[in-house]
Amino acid sequence: GQSLEQPSEVTAVEGAIVQINCTYQTSGFYGLSWYQQHDGGAPTFLSYNALDGLEETGRFSSFLSRSDSYGYLLLQELQMKDSASYFCAVLSGGYNKLIFGAGTRLAVHP
Amino acid sequence: NAGVTQTPKFQVLKTGQSMTLQCAQDMNHNSMYWYRQDPGMGLRLIYYSASEGTTDKGEVPNGYNVSRLNKREFSLRLESAAPSQTSVYFCASSFRDSSYEQYFGPGTRLTVT
Repeated sequence: GQSLEQPSEVTAVEGAIVQINCTYQTSGFYGLSWYQQHDGGAPTFLSYNALDGLEETGRFSSFLSRSDSYGYLLLQELQMKDSASYFCAVLSGGYNKLIFGAGTRLAVHP
Repeated sequence: NAGVTQTPKFQVLKTGQSMTLQCAQDMNHNSMYWYRQDPGMGLRLIYYSASEGTTDKGEVPNGYNVSRLNKREFSLRLESAAPSQTSVYFCASSFRDSSYEQYFGPGTRLTVT
């Protein structure tokens, strides 16, 4: 089967750094994506890792370790507007479609 | 560009009623998807259309049908709604099949009583 695990909730303060972890188990693996979803809104694409290592896009970075079946999203210089749910998703070779995790709700406090 | 649009935004149905959720995209994408999102769960794929003229089942297709009307439009039909279908439904599109980057519509919040 295929499964993804990520923490259900994370809290942090403005200006801090937070890391949201994702572990996955899939039959075949192409890459790991991250999506952001504000309450009442639509998911929006943040990043994608196909190879091991760190990808940086502004304040957000995403990391992948294929050997550990693990990745994380790193958010720096947190702002109140970063309060949202973050979903990891794997592109599985066996299923050939995105499989989403249950999401991590990030609450940023002043 | 409007991106991905969905209608209606909200809907309440009685058990056994039918309805069609509409989705359209103006990005000239080839692939389109229907997901449902339930509290505490991620997005689950209901049906998808890899390209115009093709449709296929996703993880949770039971109780649903789809039509890829043309390259722009992809509709989801509930023939006989059940309370278990109360959910938020998202349509998404991508330039190609099996893409890691998908563009989502604003969602339809459906309640079945």
